[in-house]
Amino acid sequence: DAKTTQPDSMESTEGETVHLPCSHATISGNEYIYWYRQVPLQGPEYVTHGLQQNTTNSMAFLAIASDRKSSTLILPHVSLRDAAVYHCILRGSSGQKLVFGQGTILKVYL
Amino acid sequence: NSKVIQTPRYLVKGQGQKAKMRCIPEKGHPVVFWYQQNKNNEFKFLINFQNQEVLQQIDMTEKRFSAECPSNSPCSLEIQSSEAGDSALYLCASSPWGGGAEQFFGPGTRLTVL
Repeated sequence: DAKTTQPDSMESTEGETVHLPCSHATISGNEYIYWYRQVPLQGPEYVTHGLQQNTTNSMAFLAIASDRKSSTLILPHVSLRDAAVYHCILRGSSGQKLVFGQGTILKVYL
Repeated sequence: NSKVIQTPRYLVKGQGQKAKMRCIPEKGHPVVFWYQQNKNNEFKFLINFQNQEVLQQIDMTEKRFSAECPSNSPCSLEIQSSEAGDSALYLCASSPWGGGAEQFFGPGTRLTVL
């Protein structure tokens, strides 16, 4: 049911900036783009979300294409703690469930 | 950081036993979700509530699973008769109401059915 497509895995080195892509060609006008990440033995952690405009917070920058058919989560200066599975998810209203796919495994090396 | 509280963190039951887990959503969040994450890390939505009312639930929840979110008490998810296939991480999440609201997850209850 996942409506997004992400690469299976990506690798980076500490201190680098990572760009995690997500395709969502069939996104609806009322759907927001959410990003979560999960490390083993913990629940998913909210990272960021956006509708149309790029957004930024202390964790990441979310770049949304002008046609909204793709987005990129940008993680500046990654550390080992950023190693996780990153999920890109579409959701309309707050009453709707999140549909998780396999996500992107981000590996970070020293 | 999420303030969703789930108890217990670990639960071990025998087949056929009841298994009950609880969730305290973030204060002021009227929407509560339960998900199941299996050993392959696949997520399955189980049920969600707005305040005390069920919004949506899957068939599995309707048959062996029961859940409620009473006012002024923790939400709960109970498996009436546990099966080995129920072994999983059960995640509770809460959300404010409104378009674009974040959904915050608790740490989960890891159920092992022997």
